[in-house]
Amino acid sequence: DIQMTQSPSSLSASVGDRVTITCRASQSINSYLNWYQQKAGKAPKALIYAASSLQSGVPSRFSGSVSGTDFTLTISSLQPEDFATYYCQQTYITPFTFGPGTKVDIK
Amino acid sequence: QVQLQQWGAGLLKPSETLSLTCTIYGGSFSGSFSPYYWTWIRQPPGKGLEWIGEISHSGISNYNPSLESRVTLSVDTSKNQFSLRLTSVTAADTAVYYCATLRLGDTISGVLNYGLDVWGQGTTVTVSS
Repeated sequence: DIQMTQSPSSLSASVGDRVTITCRASQSINSYLNWYQQKAGKAPKALIYAASSLQSGVPSRFSGSVSGTDFTLTISSLQPEDFATYYCQQTYITPFTFGPGTKVDIK
Repeated sequence: QVQLQQWGAGLLKPSETLSLTCTIYGGSFSGSFSPYYWTWIRQPPGKGLEWIGEISHSGISNYNPSLESRVTLSVDTSKNQFSLRLTSVTAADTAVYYCATLRLGDTISGVLNYGLDVWGQGTTVTVSS
């Protein structure tokens, strides 16, 4: 199975901050990396697919990038509704594995 | 736009079989549903997400090897539904179970898939004696 790691596991930030979360795959996943946002008690919401493409309706302050097997989710200016847990997932080779998550909370 | 509504038993005893169903709204298997893989994911309390498996409208399935011996996915095209069956449950199977769609890309877009872009609301399943 492809192992996905995320860093940091949690972070504290303020409204307006620029936030960066990193995800690394244990082998090449050909940029088939997706990002999801999950709020407490809710189903995950798709944010980004194929490393850098925004899902329909997702605000442009979210962006994704890739360098080899390292992937980054950036929130350019953190908003109150962005406090949540973020997961990466590879959908290149089954089983489609998730990262352990990064919790973003209020500083 | 595809929407998912899931349902099933929420309380099971050890060794019983978990059965969940997800109903698809916003299309049909013979038309707009064909470029999808229908997926199940679970999330134990306070933990991360685990991919259980997926099935296409034609019945092609892929399972997580960690669960493969106990899992069966199925599709009922006449009812616009897909289902999860997990046998011999234990407390370790206690989780919120989600259905979701993996929308496939095509040669025109050059995209393999669009990730899990639609999710059901989740069903809490507790296994306890």
